[in-house]
Amino acid sequence: GIQVEQSPPDLILQEGANSTLRCNFSDSVNNLQWFHQNPWGQLINLFYIPSGTKQNGRLSATTVATERYSLLYISSSQTTDSGVYFCAVFPIQGAQKLVFGQGTRLTINP
Amino acid sequence: SAVISQKPSRDICQRGTSLTIQCQVDSQVTMMFWYRQQPGQSLTLIATANQGSEATYESGFVIDKFPISRPNLTFSTLTVSNMSPEDSSIYLCSVWGNTEAFFGQGTRLTVV
Repeated sequence: GIQVEQSPPDLILQEGANSTLRCNFSDSVNNLQWFHQNPWGQLINLFYIPSGTKQNGRLSATTVATERYSLLYISSSQTTDSGVYFCAVFPIQGAQKLVFGQGTRLTINP
Repeated sequence: SAVISQKPSRDICQRGTSLTIQCQVDSQVTMMFWYRQQPGQSLTLIATANQGSEATYESGFVIDKFPISRPNLTFSTLTVSNMSPEDSSIYLCSVWGNTEAFFGQGTRLTVV
């Protein structure tokens, strides 16, 4: 089945820093989503981005489908950005289900 | 988007008992999905619940351990049966909107 790899696994930054999270996937997809899981376990939708670039405030995301990767950018980090960021894809072929990466745990220190 | 209400939000249960988790959606949906997230891990799909038919379970998950009900197009339950400490996880329900998946707030289960 499709493989989804996220990097880095852990990231510790000071408030105000910028960060880039990466998601590589091994096969073609027709859906890619980025989620933020807060400390209470809730998954929050950040972006639906199977291709192209989107921006929402301090967050932006780019997916290059032909090269099978996506990037999530966080600028001017705040402590509330802490948590785990997941990339999830829906493959065009194979098992028809959302497949999650292992996540990037982001810690923003004041 | 879809609004999903899941309860309980957390529970501490004794081993050998069962817990039923409820998931309510604000719109009618054909399929509802149940995920498990073990501590420090990613999300794993348990099963897909279709209204009017038996749930479809993923490899490694069985109906006797995780029975699912789907009585109508807006509601589903997942029961974690005969619990052991290894069942301590976050359980999440999910539905699809037009193009993307949405998740409930999760049920954090601790088995002691």
